[in-house]
Amino acid sequence: QVQLVESGGGVVQPGGSLRLSCAASGFTFSNYGMHWVRQAPGKGLEWVAFIRYDGSNTYYVDSVKGRFTISRDNSKNTLYLQMNSLRAEDTAMYYCAKDRGVLGDFDYWGQGTLVTVSS
Amino acid sequence: QSVLTQPPSASGTPGQRVTISCSGSSSNIGSNYVYWYQQLPGTAPKLVIYRNNQRPSGVPDRFSGSKSGTSASLAISGLRSEDEADYYCAAWDDTLSGVVFGAGTELTVL
Repeated sequence: QVQLVESGGGVVQPGGSLRLSCAASGFTFSNYGMHWVRQAPGKGLEWVAFIRYDGSNTYYVDSVKGRFTISRDNSKNTLYLQMNSLRAEDTAMYYCAKDRGVLGDFDYWGQGTLVTVSS
Repeated sequence: QSVLTQPPSASGTPGQRVTISCSGSSSNIGSNYVYWYQQLPGTAPKLVIYRNNQRPSGVPDRFSGSKSGTSASLAISGLRSEDEADYYCAAWDDTLSGVVFGAGTELTVL
């Protein structure tokens, strides 16, 4: 069965950095695009970033462009999100999600990892 | 402020039919598929409708989706207490080059 397990969240000071990981299993990871989606406490879902199956193309929401980098290692079945210059408004639960093949079609989600940006 | 507009809340009694609307524009709903996600309290979202009106396996046929022009809707018939959750619509936006979500609709089963 498909499993997505995020890790790497925690408490970080404003301006700091954090790298999230998402370990995938139960499907051929290298065949599918992957996304990061976040949810601030008590708020709605916000799409963050997407990477194509082979890493050849990436997309980001405007608020994280230049600060976050999505990447993947298909040999390790792992998705990453490098987050730099973190701000208080980046505080959220971060989910990785598998793309079925059409952008926006998230057929599987991880359980999420919590990032808190606070001094 | 979300790109897709949903009502903040909806409600119904067990057995009733409720609908949740989602309004967008030509760059998102008007030209791309619409998806609906259910989020139960404290859990990750779950896909309940894909490509406007398709149900993933395991989702009851009480759930249905439709799209017309730049608007879409999710209908839940035979409402049950376990349907109480937040529901989000989503679509790719060609102008923003990203996925956009509605702000979510909190469904209460009275």
